[in-house]
Amino acid sequence: ETGVTQSPTHLIKTRGQQVTLRCSSQSGHNTVSWYQQALGQGPQFIFQYYREEENGRGNFPPRFSGLQFPNYSSELNVNALELDDSALYLCASSRQPGTDYEQYFGPGTRLTVT
Amino acid sequence: AQSVTQPDIHITVSEGASLELRCNYSYGATPYLFWYVQSPGQGLQLLLKYFSGDTLVQGIKGFEAEFKRSQSSFNLRKPSVHWSDAAEYFCAAVSGGGADGLTFGKGTHLIIQP
Repeated sequence: ETGVTQSPTHLIKTRGQQVTLRCSSQSGHNTVSWYQQALGQGPQFIFQYYREEENGRGNFPPRFSGLQFPNYSSELNVNALELDDSALYLCASSRQPGTDYEQYFGPGTRLTVT
Repeated sequence: AQSVTQPDIHITVSEGASLELRCNYSYGATPYLFWYVQSPGQGLQLLLKYFSGDTLVQGIKGFEAEFKRSQSSFNLRKPSVHWSDAAEYFCAAVSGGGADGLTFGKGTHLIIQP
């Protein structure tokens, strides 16, 4: 069984730039959720994708957007980067919403905005 | 608003001693509850979950947790800790429907003394 993978591992961007992070879900999972984890904090829910559509969203501005592809992989896009966007971005995959609610996390992408 | 609270930011335990990490939740109805562990530079690993039924749940790595509805708590325990248990521990919850994503506490940093 293949686990959740994320790329890249680390990324450095400049304020105002745009970034795309990628995630491949665990085999058998068709739902992907994204989280932002600032240093010393718990992860915060950004949004969830199911059947290639956004299925739920946390308290993040529209410059955070995403995609899910037919193979259930996903992208997180962040436009107009701000210094506060520096964080570990975690992707989690799960089965269909409303089934078992278990989410399995990837290793994360560390984004630094300078 | 829905929230998860972990009152202890840091806990230090001697190797071989017992451990209890506290978690309280504030939800309209009993949510689904989880404990995750995060080692430095790693993603989150699911330790155990509570959905319903038996209020004492067993997880991986010798961990267990007890759900107490009257106290809105879901505390994590381990009878005897090992040096490899040193990590960050997160309690998380999600209401039925799952599309809102997991709500995490701020985490408890566990330090193991030799």
